[in-house]
Amino acid sequence: GDSVTQTEGLVTLTKGLPVMLNCTYQTTYSPFLFWYVQHLNEAPKLLLKSSTDNKRTEHQGFYATLHKSSSSFHLQKSSVQLSDSALYFCALSAGGYKVVFGSGTRLLVSP
Amino acid sequence: GGIITQTPKFLIGQEGQKLTLKCQQNFNHDTMYWYRQDSGKGLRLIYYSITENDLQKGDLSEGYDASREKKSSFSLTVTSAQKNEMAVFLCASSPRGANTEVFFGKGTRLTVV
Repeated sequence: GDSVTQTEGLVTLTKGLPVMLNCTYQTTYSPFLFWYVQHLNEAPKLLLKSSTDNKRTEHQGFYATLHKSSSSFHLQKSSVQLSDSALYFCALSAGGYKVVFGSGTRLLVSP
Repeated sequence: GGIITQTPKFLIGQEGQKLTLKCQQNFNHDTMYWYRQDSGKGLRLIYYSITENDLQKGDLSEGYDASREKKSSFSLTVTSAQKNEMAVFLCASSPRGANTEVFFGKGTRLTVV
């Protein structure tokens, strides 16, 4: 079945440094990938999405590129801020209504 | 804009008890979901529904029932609460069609004593 893998459970960084959160997926259908962010005691909300191969998508300073050849959709930011501390989920929708989420990566940014 | 309201926000149950969680959305979305969130395990799909009276099992449906009697509401029942169980249950909805953004409620936190 469809699946999403996020390899890092926790990433800790100092403010101003770049970050990359990994996301790979498995599906036999045409994929639609999402990144959701969940701040403490809040609901998850959409950060960015893509279904176009090799095209960078950006939102709020974060960016990601869907690479179908490697089944990846890594999330990046060039300079993290304290307010970026949150739980980040990669998610996959593949040809249907079912949306599958990864296990999440917690990003902690320190001063 | 719209909102997804989950009730209750906190639920304490006893082992073996049947517990019901409720969710209402005013987006007029067709599809609704129930996810379970456990620390380190991400969001796991329990049930989803693509229209009123439709039910589809997710990967974690065993031990749960769901009901979609109205387009705006989707309830989840834990058929027999497991001792020491702790999790957050998230309700979500999305517009008609596949590959659309999912909107989440703030969750119901379940503790079983």
